[in-house]
Amino acid sequence: NAGVMQNPRHLVRRRGQEARLRCSPMKGHSHVYWYRQLPEEGLKFMVYLQKENIIDESGMPKERFSAEFPKEGPSILRIQQVVRGDSAAYFCASSTQGNTEAFFGQGTRLTVV
Amino acid sequence: KQEVTQIPAALSVPEGENLVLNCSFTDSAIYNLQWFRQDPGKGLTSLLLIQSSQREQTSGRLNASLDKSSGRSTLYIAASQPGDSATYLCAVGETTGANSKLTFGKGITLSVRP
Repeated sequence: NAGVMQNPRHLVRRRGQEARLRCSPMKGHSHVYWYRQLPEEGLKFMVYLQKENIIDESGMPKERFSAEFPKEGPSILRIQQVVRGDSAAYFCASSTQGNTEAFFGQGTRLTVV
Repeated sequence: KQEVTQIPAALSVPEGENLVLNCSFTDSAIYNLQWFRQDPGKGLTSLLLIQSSQREQTSGRLNASLDKSSGRSTLYIAASQPGDSATYLCAVGETTGANSKLTFGKGITLSVRP
């Protein structure tokens, strides 16, 4: 049973481009969470999704960021018109239910140049 | 708003020492608490999960305790080894209705000297 898979592991984008980060949860997990870790900061919750539904997006910036978890395929975190301040490590986690142990992926390290 | 604090930010100990990492949180209405390990440039590895109804969990040389009423958790590492060098993160799980998320501390960076 593979763990939570995130790709790409490293992503470089120029200012103004779009970044797409993918997360495949563990087999049997239907709950996905995205977290962001800024340099010298702790991990901050961004969004919580179940299949085809956004449950809690209270940590998402109001503009340029969106997330989806379609019925088929991985969860996608999309950042439009990236700026240097978006440079961070983005982690995805999954769980079987909303209140059970969350397992984390290796993260995607986004660098905006 | 839940806040999780881990102090100190960094700790250096000689190999073989038993040590305790502290975590405090402001809102005692938590669902669970997890301790993670993060190696530089890597993802998070779950070490121990304590449900709110539990007082402690053990795995090998690790023991984590939880005192909800005082808003504290400790991670005890016995007979530390250089391979234990990493950043240790404490995270509290909150569940209200259908919402579930972890609030993290900034971590304690542990260095175990050979």
